[in-house]
Amino acid sequence: SQELEQSPQSLIVQEGKNLTINCTSSKTLYGLYWYKQKYGEGLIFLMMLQKGGEEKSHEKITAKLDEKKQQSSLHITASQPSHAGIYLCGAGPGIIQGAQKLVFGQGTRLTINP
Amino acid sequence: NAGVTQTPKFQVLKTGQSMTLQCAQDMNHEYMSWYRQDPGMGLRLIHYSVGAGITDQGEVPNGYNVSRSTTEDFPLRLLSAAPSQTSVYFCATQTGYYSNQPQHFGDGTRLSIL
Repeated sequence: SQELEQSPQSLIVQEGKNLTINCTSSKTLYGLYWYKQKYGEGLIFLMMLQKGGEEKSHEKITAKLDEKKQQSSLHITASQPSHAGIYLCGAGPGIIQGAQKLVFGQGTRLTINP
Repeated sequence: NAGVTQTPKFQVLKTGQSMTLQCAQDMNHEYMSWYRQDPGMGLRLIHYSVGAGITDQGEVPNGYNVSRSTTEDFPLRLLSAAPSQTSVYFCATQTGYYSNQPQHFGDGTRLSIL
């Protein structure tokens, strides 16, 4: 079965600094989802990547999927307090096998210090 | 537009008690699923349903029952609660099992078993 490993597990950065979170898969990724979670709330969808080499950006957050489709990174530029939370990557087995049967990484807890 | 509604938000049970976690959606999504989230382990799939009357097991189904009599509702039942079931439970929905679009999550139910 597919496994996702996130690094680091915890990250503390100064406001304004850049940071990167990685998600590495044991198998080829057919759809990689990034979610953000604030304490006491559900998961909020950030971005989805499907193609090798794909890169997407939304505001100050950029997500990339490597060419081999086994690793993804989430990069935040000029971090703000609103970026604090838990970031999770999730992946499915592919459309034919049921794209929604997701496996998640263990999450990266991000703290932004003012 | 409520989206995915989970009730209750918090619950404390004694070992051996039973209870049902409720999940309701108003988006007419065919696919619904239940995850549990434990520290350092990300989200793990418990059960899922690809439509009314159809359910299947996920990664960690033991100790949990589900049924899907309507498109809107997907309750999760704990027949005899155990301390190992202390967790945060999330319900998620999507338009279809073979869709690669992101899932929509509820805000979670925080369950403690004493």
